[in-house]
Formats: sequence, C-alpha cells, structure tokens
Amino acid sequence: DQQVKQNSPSLSVQEGRISILNCDYTNSMFDYFLWYKKYPAEGPTFLISISSIKDKNEDGRFTVFLNKSAKHLSLHIVPSQPGDSAVYFCAASLNSGNTPLVFGKGTRLSVIA
Amino acid sequence: GAVVSQHPSRVICKSGTSVKIECRSLDFQATTMFWYRQFPKQSLMLMATSNEGSKATYEQGVEKDKFLINHASLTLSTLTVTSAHPEDSSFYICSALKRETQYFGPGTRLLVL
Repeated sequence: DQQVKQNSPSLSVQEGRISILNCDYTNSMFDYFLWYKKYPAEGPTFLISISSIKDKNEDGRFTVFLNKSAKHLSLHIVPSQPGDSAVYFCAASLNSGNTPLVFGKGTRLSVIA
Repeated sequence: GAVVSQHPSRVICKSGTSVKIECRSLDFQATTMFWYRQFPKQSLMLMATSNEGSKATYEQGVEKDKFLINHASLTLSTLTVTSAHPEDSSFYICSALKRETQYFGPGTRLLVL
C-alpha cells in the first residue's frame, strides 16, 4: 500500500507558466513533507519542505501548499523555466523529519521553451 | 550549506566480489544517514537507517549480512555490498540528516557482471 502518491507520472508546461505538482498521502501521522528534484543518475536535490503546522511555505519560485484535511500537498513553480525539467519527488516523514522518508513515485516535469 | 558526497560514482565489478560505497557529509555532522536504492524508472526504496556508533536498522527484505553498513563517524557511513551478484546492480543513494531535512548524495551506479 503506497502511503505517498503522485498520480501524475508526467506534466508538460510552457516556459513562463505555472507548474503545479500534486501529492496525496494516506498516513495522517506524517508531519513533515518535502519536495525533491532529481535528474537521471543523480541524487535528489532538496527543494522545499513544510511542517504540518503550516499550510504554506514559499522559497523564491517554489511554493508548497499543504491541506491536512484532504491529505494533499502541492508544489507550485512560477514562472517555470526549461531548467526545471526533471523528476520531482514528494516525500513524507514522521517525527518532524527524523524518520526515514516515504517517497512518491515521482512526476516528470517538462518545461517547453 | 548541506553537501553530501558519495564515492565512487560508478563501479563495475565481477560477480562474487565485494564493493564498498562511501557516503560523507562534507559541511555538517550527521548522526543519522540513510541508504536508498533506486531501480530504473522507480522511486527510491529505503534500505537501511544508519546511526553513528550503533547498528544500522534494516528495512524488511534487506539482508543485513549482504549489505553491511558502518557509520563510524559523524561524517561517514559506508555500505558494503558483499558477494555481489548481477541482481545487485542498481543505483545506490545515501542521505544525511541535518535537522529535519535529508540531503542526498549524488548516487553510485553499481554494475555487477
């Protein structure tokens, strides 16, 4: 049973527009959520995180929204740039991040110039 | 910053030999490090949690005698794949925990012939 789900395996967005990547989770005990960006044959790069006590966290072009009642989070990238093209993984953990991460299967974002 | 390195980045070995992969946190100390494995077009699967000075905690289905983990210092954890077989060929990635965020290494591509 997958506890973290990214239901869209791929997403294409035009350069300059907003990219919205979605993630759902089933375990209500998760209290810390992260987004990672990954290129082939490289390790994931940390992008942004959010604690369950917040519903929004913003860092430059990246904003993560958390809806605890819906067990849903999303990553917004605006404006999207061609260099954003990569696979994005949503991850969740317990105990404020001090436990192993549970990853979604990833969404491949293609930003078209 | 939070930089994690892995060595080697790529290794090819003969079946039956052992391979050691190093994971280092370069600019911070990490009491906890994690080892993941990624199969082609799949998400990261946690293999084990490595705690400095104590035995690693392995996920279900991961053979601890085959994947030896040593976390001897606050900046170094090693994963040794013993008696490697072709089915062990994979992409191995480590992460180090800094506060509540895991920072990943660049990964090691292992090919067992």
